[in-house]
Amino acid sequence: EIVLTQSPGSLSLSPGEGATLFCRASQTISSSFLAWYQQKHGQAPRLLIYGASSRATGIPDRFSGSGSATDFTLNISRLEPEDFAFYYCQQYATSPFTFGPGTKVDIK
Amino acid sequence: QVQLQESGPGLVKPSETLSLTCTVSGDSINNYYWSWIRQSPGKGLEWIGYLYYRGSTSYNPSLKSRVTISADTSKNQFSLKLTSVTAADTATYFCARHPRANNWGFVDFWGQGSPVTVSS
Repeated sequence: EIVLTQSPGSLSLSPGEGATLFCRASQTISSSFLAWYQQKHGQAPRLLIYGASSRATGIPDRFSGSGSATDFTLNISRLEPEDFAFYYCQQYATSPFTFGPGTKVDIK
Repeated sequence: QVQLQESGPGLVKPSETLSLTCTVSGDSINNYYWSWIRQSPGKGLEWIGYLYYRGSTSYNPSLKSRVTISADTSKNQFSLKLTSVTAADTATYFCARHPRANNWGFVDFWGQGSPVTVSS
């Protein structure tokens, strides 16, 4: 099973600032089969990024993903009030699909 | 736009079977992969298993001995059964759709989630 580790565990930032979130895999994720989701309290996760760097439909371009092999990054260029939430990475290269423990981005 | 809605009991007794159904609207369950995913404070997001509408399935090895996922194409629904539940199975259960693509393992649509508590 591929174990995903996310860092930092939490991030306190102000609107307008940029955020960089990391996801590290315990083994290489082939073909960059990695996704990022945003989740707000009481809601289901929402797909942001798939294939490590492709934005999902309707996702603003302030969200960008990058990385390969074992190290992946989600960047949010300018935080909007609605961006304060939890963020999870997920690998789908190998079954069982697994998720990282999440990064909480809250308002400073 | 496709919508997924979970339904089932919110309370299940220990050792009994948890049963949930996901009703899909706005699209057919044909030609897609569908998953159940759960989320608990202790274990985070955990993929339970997936089903292809024609009936093939794959389960998380950690739950495989207790899980069955099945589809009813006539009702545009798919279901989860988890046997011999314990308090560790207390979680919010999400049904989810995977996209129609070669690399399909991410989720593009989620249900709103169904909280389930295991308690006597």
